[in-house]
Amino acid sequence: ILNVEQSPQSLHVQEGDSTNFTCSFPSSNFYALHWYRWETAKSPEALFVMTLNGDEKKKGRISATLNTKEGYSYLYIKGSQPEDSATYLCASMNYGGSQGNLIFGKGTKLSVKP
Amino acid sequence: EPEVTQTPSHQVTQMGQEVILRCVPISNHLYFYWYRQILGQKVEFLVSFYNNEISEKSEIFDDQFSVERPDGSNFTLKIRSTKLEDSAMYFCASSEGRRNQPQHFGDGTRLSIL
Repeated sequence: ILNVEQSPQSLHVQEGDSTNFTCSFPSSNFYALHWYRWETAKSPEALFVMTLNGDEKKKGRISATLNTKEGYSYLYIKGSQPEDSATYLCASMNYGGSQGNLIFGKGTKLSVKP
Repeated sequence: EPEVTQTPSHQVTQMGQEVILRCVPISNHLYFYWYRQILGQKVEFLVSFYNNEISEKSEIFDDQFSVERPDGSNFTLKIRSTKLEDSAMYFCASSEGRRNQPQHFGDGTRLSIL
């Protein structure tokens, strides 16, 4: 059974702080790693899809890296703003039996205080 | 920006009753998914659908569950005889491609079984 883990579970930072959190996933039969941003009462919003070892992607102040050999991805937020407050989900996609479906972590809940 | 829409936003049903959750995926997307999240747990994959048939389903998706694309726009999830443990948030998603494309999620239907 594939297991995707995220840490920390929750994070409280001040506006302007930079922060990062971790997603670990099984490296065998890996195909893609997805990051989603999920605000309360809204739908999860896709941030990044990464497939290659060493991939780095950036969207504004948010960036992500991928290490497929050791099975982890980091999400970085530079200069956090209150509107960054959300739960950040990562999800792994693998070859073999799970073609196309996402295996989610439990998420990291970020709260940014003004 | 086109979005995935789900109805109803909240459904309350008596145990043993049938329930149909509805989704309208993004119009040019070819792959459709249902996920669910039981309160406090991870988002879990239920089923993926492509070319008018199920392409993959999880262990959760037993004989009580079915999906259908009755016309060119709707994608439905039916639970035949609901159980208390079916209470969860159900998310529909769609994507252009299967693996390396982001999945676009609806706002979810909160299903409460009494």
